[in-house]
Amino acid sequence: GQSLEQPSEVTAVEGAIVQINCTYQTSGFYGLSWYQQHDGGAPTFLSYNALDGLEETGRFSSFLSRSDSYGYLLLQELQMKDSASYFCAALGRSNYQLIWGAGTKLIIKP
Amino acid sequence: GAVVSQHPSWVICKSGTSVKIECRSLDFQATTMFWYRQFPKQSLMLMATSNEGSKATYEQGVEKDKFLINHASLTLSTLTVTSAHPEDSSFYICSARTGGTAAYEQYFGPGTRLTVT
Repeated sequence: GQSLEQPSEVTAVEGAIVQINCTYQTSGFYGLSWYQQHDGGAPTFLSYNALDGLEETGRFSSFLSRSDSYGYLLLQELQMKDSASYFCAALGRSNYQLIWGAGTKLIIKP
Repeated sequence: GAVVSQHPSWVICKSGTSVKIECRSLDFQATTMFWYRQFPKQSLMLMATSNEGSKATYEQGVEKDKFLINHASLTLSTLTVTSAHPEDSSFYICSARTGGTAAYEQYFGPGTRLTVT
C-alpha cells in the first residue's frame, strides 16, 4: 500500500525551532511536498523536494532523503501564527496525484 | 496569480437533497482538477481526479453516482453531492493544476463546508 507517516502532534515554544518528520512508502515517487493548513482553511503550499538535500525558504526548510524514504520540515523562529496542521504529501506517478500524510498539529506556546 | 475559488464557502441542506459545489481557476487554465474531502482533524482524502472534457477518475470507495463531477471547461469543475445524507457532512476542497507548471504545483480552493441535517 501507499502511506505517509508523520507525528500527530508536536508542541514547541515561540521563538524555538521544530522539526516535523515524514516517512513514506509509495509505489511511485516524484517528490515530497509540505502544506500548511490553519483550522477551517485550505492547505497552502510550503515547499517541494524532488532531489535529496535541503531546500530553504525563509524560516522554513525542507529536507529529503530518497534512500531513506524520509523527509522533514524545519520551522525556525517559531511565531504564534505558525500554529497549524502541517501535511507531507508525496507526488505519485498517477496523474500528478498527491498522497497525503495524516497531518501534524503544531502547538506553539508563548 | 494561480487563484482557485470555490462556491459556496458553506452550505446547509436537508437530507435527501442535492448540493452543487463549484471550483473555478480564476487566472489560469486548469487541465486537471482534484476533489478532496476532509473530516475534522483528519487528512485530505482524494475523491476524484478530473481532466477537462473527459470523465472523472474516482478513487476506490467513492460512489461515482453519488458524487457527480463535471469538468466542462478549463476553468470550471463542479461536484454535485446527490441525495445527501448526514454522513456526507464534511469539508470539500478542490485543487487545480495546469500542464505548463511543475508536476507538484497544485493550487487549492478555500474549501466548502457542507452540513447535511
